[in-house]
Amino acid sequence: ELKVEQNPLFLSMQEGKNYTIYCNYSTTSDRLYWYRQDPGKSLESLFVLLSNGAVKQEGRLMASLDTKARLSTLHITAAVHDLSATYFCAVVDSSASKIIFGSGTRLSIRP
Amino acid sequence: GAGVSQSPSNKVTEKGKDVELRCDPISGHTALYWYRQSLGQGLEFLIYFQGNSAPDKSGLPSDRFSAERTGGSVSTLTIQRTQQEDSAVYLCASSSYISNTEAFFGQGTRLTVV
Repeated sequence: ELKVEQNPLFLSMQEGKNYTIYCNYSTTSDRLYWYRQDPGKSLESLFVLLSNGAVKQEGRLMASLDTKARLSTLHITAAVHDLSATYFCAVVDSSASKIIFGSGTRLSIRP
Repeated sequence: GAGVSQSPSNKVTEKGKDVELRCDPISGHTALYWYRQSLGQGLEFLIYFQGNSAPDKSGLPSDRFSAERTGGSVSTLTIQRTQQEDSAVYLCASSSYISNTEAFFGQGTRLTVV
């Protein structure tokens, strides 16, 4: 059964700093997603990663995928307050076609 | 419609009553997912549809929960004899597996059982 683990679960950081959120998964998959969720809102898609070595960037966020290590990272560069949210990674279970989510990382960026 | 539509957006019900939650996916999306999110928690997988069939019902918490999808489009999640622990936000998502896109989420139904 596919398990998805994120860490850290909570992250408080200062504006201007860099940090990385990690997403490990337990079985082979060919598809990984990153989502953002603001309080009281639904999930907004950030990145779709489909192949080993895939790297995608949008503004201050960059996501990468290493399928051999079963690891994805979401890197935040020079954080700003607007990036405060909960970030989820989600992995497609190739055998069952269902999408399993990590527990989420609650990111709080303070001035 | 342009996005995934869920109704109602909020539902307050008395313990023991049945509720139906509706999800209208993006047109043409064959895959449909239901998740449950309790306050401050992650997303708990409930059920997945490919077309009208549900190959994976393993996430349904109990036999009080059921779901169906008709015409490869609208899905209904039914909770019978609701309990207070059923209170959560129920999120629906749809995707097009062929085009390798992500799953797009609706705004959710906030269910409160009193």
